[in-house]
Amino acid sequence: DQQVKQNSPSLSVQEGRISILNCDYTNSMFDYFLWYKKYPAEGPTFLISISSIKDKNEDGRFTVFLNKSAKHLSLHIVPSQPGDSAVYFCAASTTSGTYKYIFGTGTRLKVLA
Amino acid sequence: DTEVTQTPKHLVMGMTNKKSLKCEQHMGHRAMYWYKQKAKKPPELMFVYSYEKLSINESVPSRFSPECPNSSLLNLHLHALQPEDSALYLCASRHEARATTGELFFGEGSRLTVL
Repeated sequence: DQQVKQNSPSLSVQEGRISILNCDYTNSMFDYFLWYKKYPAEGPTFLISISSIKDKNEDGRFTVFLNKSAKHLSLHIVPSQPGDSAVYFCAASTTSGTYKYIFGTGTRLKVLA
Repeated sequence: DTEVTQTPKHLVMGMTNKKSLKCEQHMGHRAMYWYKQKAKKPPELMFVYSYEKLSINESVPSRFSPECPNSSLLNLHLHALQPEDSALYLCASRHEARATTGELFFGEGSRLTVL
């Protein structure tokens, strides 16, 4: 049972345009969400997070939006750069007890120059 | 120092071998994690240690045995593995006391091949 899903396995975007990566979750107990970027043969690198008390968080070119009623979050990258090409994972956790991070299936982003 | 260091980077072992994966962090983090990732799949949680005590075991087979000798080190002992256990094993840590941010810091992983 996949509790965190990314329904688009891949996405191609022109350099300078906006990239939108989507993530859906099923467990209403999740209240903390993160996005990670992963290059081949490397560990995931943290990008940005959001708590369920917010609906938006920005950090430079990266913005995460959370829609709790729809159990949906999205990552916007503006403007997209070729160096952003990687696999992006969303992750979800509860903030009670031990944080148990559950990862989504990943979306491979390709930014075309 | 913001690194999680994993050794070895690559490991090939037979089904009868005993080997260990090691993970080290010096960020003062008190929660450490083992994940397993197969190709084109998300990282899957295996174990979580909190303050050197095992707090989560995601029903992992006993041929995988975790150990946390101190707050900086995390080991994964491997014995009698199967070829389907071949995967990238990722270690991660988190500063347990920081309730406002909770990102995991990952190592680069140990690529395991079981023959």
